[in-house]
Amino acid sequence: GAGVSQSPSNKVTEKGKDVELRCDPISGHTALYWYRQSLGQGLEFLIYFQGNSAPDKSGLPSDRFSAERTGGSVSTLTIQRTQQEDSAVYLCASSLRAVPTNEQYFGPGTRLTVT
Amino acid sequence: AQTVTQSQPEMSVQEAETVTLSCTYDTSESDYYLFWYKQPPSRQMILVIRQEAYKQQNATENRFSVNFQKAAKSFSLKISDSQLGDAAMYFCAYRSPYSGAGSYQLTFGKGTKLSVIP
Repeated sequence: GAGVSQSPSNKVTEKGKDVELRCDPISGHTALYWYRQSLGQGLEFLIYFQGNSAPDKSGLPSDRFSAERTGGSVSTLTIQRTQQEDSAVYLCASSLRAVPTNEQYFGPGTRLTVT
Repeated sequence: AQTVTQSQPEMSVQEAETVTLSCTYDTSESDYYLFWYKQPPSRQMILVIRQEAYKQQNATENRFSVNFQKAAKSFSLKISDSQLGDAAMYFCAYRSPYSGAGSYQLTFGKGTKLSVIP
């Protein structure tokens, strides 16, 4: 079956613009996670969904960041009024359920560049 | 909060040789999960190996094995018979087994870039 897919693969935007990043999880996976990987840094957790609800939004860096998931499937991460420090690779992962024993499968990420 | 430290930003190994990547972590939990992920230039994170803290036996997956020292909070990855395809970024990660805020996420180190010399 298909793995986790993300689009676009690369996105260049001007400072101040809004961007939407999309994640399509593995079919049947109820849990979905967003991480950010900045240059020279490890991955930092942003948000996770169990179904359509997001019990933990603690990792979102500011109120410019939001995410939603519809139909228990596709998720969109939206960054409003982008800043240069938002430049990073945004990775999405999914797992069967949001339990520690379920492996998280990652997508190829979206590289966001804010000019 | 848990932290994961990888003290080697870059490593290199000769093809067919063995290399060990280091990882230490800090936690107050007695049970947890540890992982090594590989990230090639394609950016896709691939799980290499996992270890449950309650298991004393070190995990192995073909040419990959770990040295898990719970008391020292150390979790190193050994790659034997290194191959060109092993060249990638390697990330060590921690996951709590308990429910509650922060328990579902993976906490990553900053990674080690491994080069394989032909």
